[in-house]
Amino acid sequence: DAGVTQSPTHLIKTRGQQVTLRCSPKSGHDTVSWYQQALGQGPQFIFQYYEEEERQRGNFPDRFSGHQFPNYSSELNVNALLLGDSALYLCASRQGGPRSGNTIYFGEGSWLTVV
Amino acid sequence: DQQVKQNSPSLSVQEGRISILNCDYTNSMFDYFLWYKKYPAEGPTFLISISSIKDKNEDGRFTVFLNKSAKHLSLHIVPSQPGDSAVYFCAASEGAQKLVFGQGTRLTINP
Repeated sequence: DAGVTQSPTHLIKTRGQQVTLRCSPKSGHDTVSWYQQALGQGPQFIFQYYEEEERQRGNFPDRFSGHQFPNYSSELNVNALLLGDSALYLCASRQGGPRSGNTIYFGEGSWLTVV
Repeated sequence: DQQVKQNSPSLSVQEGRISILNCDYTNSMFDYFLWYKKYPAEGPTFLISISSIKDKNEDGRFTVFLNKSAKHLSLHIVPSQPGDSAVYFCAASEGAQKLVFGQGTRLTINP
């Protein structure tokens, strides 16, 4: 049973570029969330998707957008990259919807470096 | 505004002894609390959770205590093992939705 898988694992982008990160949730999971973890900090909630809609959003600018597909996989897009966007981006999934209370599982993350 | 705080960036404990990691929160609406463990180059791994209707939850060597009046929770690991060396994150949620994380505590278990 594969867990939460993310791609790519590492990438380097230039300021002003756009990036797309991908996530496949754990089998049977229908709710996907994205978190940003800067060096030395805890993960910060970006947004959550359920039934292909954004259900909840954290304090991130509109440059951060996402999508959930019918197979529950998800993408995180960041436009007009800034140096401060350099971080580990974590995808998390759970089963049964945003309010299910079921355990949230994390992927290994995508390391983004903006130069 | 840091709603979840882990005030100890690091903790060093001898193998076989008890490790106690602490976490404080400010939002009284939080009703679900979790601890995650993170190794370098890996995503956080769920360890143990507790609902606000309880004050203690045990799972093997791991016990989480919740003191709602003090808005404080702690994770006890006993006995501590070298494989427990990792960064531990405390997280909280309201209505089982988004997780709010602390900054993490790096635990080192010394042989």
